[in-house]
Amino acid sequence: QVQVVESGGGVVQPGRSLRLSCAASGFTLNDYGMHWVRQAPGKGLEWVAVISFDGSNKYYADSVKGRFTISRDNSKNTLFLQMDSLRAEDTAVYYCAKTGSRSYNSELDSWGQGTLVTVST
Amino acid sequence: SYDLSQPPSVSVSPGQTASITCSGDKLGDQYAYWYQQKPGQSPVLVIYLDTKRPSGIPERFSGFNSGNTATLTISGTQAMDEADYYCQAWDSNTARLVFGGGTKLTVL
Repeated sequence: QVQVVESGGGVVQPGRSLRLSCAASGFTLNDYGMHWVRQAPGKGLEWVAVISFDGSNKYYADSVKGRFTISRDNSKNTLFLQMDSLRAEDTAVYYCAKTGSRSYNSELDSWGQGTLVTVST
Repeated sequence: SYDLSQPPSVSVSPGQTASITCSGDKLGDQYAYWYQQKPGQSPVLVIYLDTKRPSGIPERFSGFNSGNTATLTISGTQAMDEADYYCQAWDSNTARLVFGGGTKLTVL
């Protein structure tokens, strides 16, 4: 069945970097746009970034633009989020989510279990 | 930036109908989506393209979107429907995905 599994979270100091991965199975990654969404402890959902099915289009939330980079390796069925210059306010569970079609502005129909990123000294 | 507003909480008695609203400027001109999130779990899509239900989502979940408001309706609400619900839209002007602040549905 369709599944996405995030990894790479952990505790990191402010200003440092972290790279998240999202492994896709049960579907062909290059047929779908992919998003990262985060949720700070006790807070609501916050969209982070999206990448089109072929990687040609990428868009970011203002809060992470210039610091985070979304990418994908369709040959490995894997999505990435490179997070640089991390701040305390980036502390959250990060979810990888698949769109329902090639359109990156369609529904998020499958979500991973999330990976926790904690930015702290 | 484009904002979506939801009531922080909604309460409903078992078996009754719960309605959760989502307001945004000309929201009816674009598609609205709804997600359910139970404590400690990942979000689950319950409504897409304003009114459509993914497979496996009970028929008691329905959606409507017109004007400036999208509405998620749960008919015959059950205890298992107690969760946080988030609306979502795509802001085509800025190419940003937007979530509402979420509504905590309490079934009591």
